[in-house]
Amino acid sequence: NAGVTQTPKFQVLKTGQSMTLQCAQDMNHNSMYWYRQDPGMGLRLIYYSASEGTTDKGEVPNGYNVSRLNKREFSLRLESAAPSQTSVYFCASGGRDRGNGETQYFGPGTRLLVL
Amino acid sequence: KNEVEQSPQNLTAQEGEFITINCSYSVGISALHWLQQHPGGGIVSLFMLSSGKKKHGRLIATINIQEKHSSLHITASHPRDSAVYICAVRPGGSEKLVFGKGTKLTVNP
Repeated sequence: NAGVTQTPKFQVLKTGQSMTLQCAQDMNHNSMYWYRQDPGMGLRLIYYSASEGTTDKGEVPNGYNVSRLNKREFSLRLESAAPSQTSVYFCASGGRDRGNGETQYFGPGTRLLVL
Repeated sequence: KNEVEQSPQNLTAQEGEFITINCSYSVGISALHWLQQHPGGGIVSLFMLSSGKKKHGRLIATINIQEKHSSLHITASHPRDSAVYICAVRPGGSEKLVFGKGTKLTVNP
């Protein structure tokens, strides 16, 4: 099992360009998440999807859109990139442990630089 | 004010030392997680706690629900334990995690 995979690993964009970050999981999890991680700050939730066909805003959704294409895939789109979106982006999926709630499994991250 | 506070922010230790990282939170929670972020960036879940104590190898995590506090202990620390340790809580009734800013641990040989 590959777990959670993300593409690309690294991307440089110019201000105003668009791009889509891809995420896929092979653990049959219902929940999937997109986070951003910035220096000196904790992981912040951008969007999440509790199940196939549903998406909800997190703490910092402005400037982003998401698509839960199917149970495996959850993509994050930047329609018009801004320098403030320079960050490391992590995708995660959530699996429910017996009696103990959900554990999240993280992808390797995408480093995005917006010039 | 951040809902999840970790201390210390940075910690340097000598190999073999006993390490404690603390996490305090301000909301009622259904679970608390400890995660490890390797120098290369990957994040893995170490523990999920709702009460008491859990142990895995040299790592021990405890939680005191009444005091809204958790600790992560590392016994006989090793340079390979060098990483950022992140505390995250799941507020009661929420599907989402709230993360602390992390504690950067460096263990010198």
